[in-house]
Amino acid sequence: AQSVAQPEDQVNVAEGNPLTVKCTYSVSGNPYLFWYVQYPNRGLQFLLKYITGDNLVKGSYGFEAEFNKSQTSFHLKKPSALVSDSALYFCAVREEAARQLTFGSGTQLTVLP
Amino acid sequence: DAGVTQSPTHLIKTRGQQVTLRCSPKSGHDTVSWYQQALGQGPQFIFQYYEEEERQRGNFPDRFSGHQFPNYSSELNVNALLLGDSALYLCASSFPEETQYFGPGTRLLVL
Repeated sequence: AQSVAQPEDQVNVAEGNPLTVKCTYSVSGNPYLFWYVQYPNRGLQFLLKYITGDNLVKGSYGFEAEFNKSQTSFHLKKPSALVSDSALYFCAVREEAARQLTFGSGTQLTVLP
Repeated sequence: DAGVTQSPTHLIKTRGQQVTLRCSPKSGHDTVSWYQQALGQGPQFIFQYYEEEERQRGNFPDRFSGHQFPNYSSELNVNALLLGDSALYLCASSFPEETQYFGPGTRLLVL
């Protein structure tokens, strides 16, 4: 069975500082990993994904994520946070043979001006 | 290019009623997945449709059913509504086994 853990319910960071949102996963076989962002009263917006290849994945709006197979992690990062990055972030995983995404419980990111 | 669209945006029903939610996929996509997002939680997979067939189903009771039409649009039906069915219902479209793109959701309130 596939599962995802987001250990932090809330992350606060000052504008201009780097940000990290943590995610760990568990799958049988090769993982397909995703980050989505959700703004209030909105659906999920795709940010980036890891399928195979380079461990550092670059996505939309300056976000990137680092895949670490030994630590089964896929942390979301951004070098310099913006107030407009404040939102709810979800990590998701799909096993290679599966069709559904399994989501974490979400991390509320607040960027303080 | 229109993204994934869902209707209605909001819906209020009473316990025991039935509801139908609709989804139009992103242009070119032929696979539709439905998720339920309860307040304060991550989305939970309900089922996925491809070629008008249900390909996979999550841990949801038979009260939840769906349909996919030849134009790839989809409906989610929920019978005998319970208070616990109150949630944001999200539709996602994709090519098979490719990135899923989500619509804005339908917020269902059951009283």
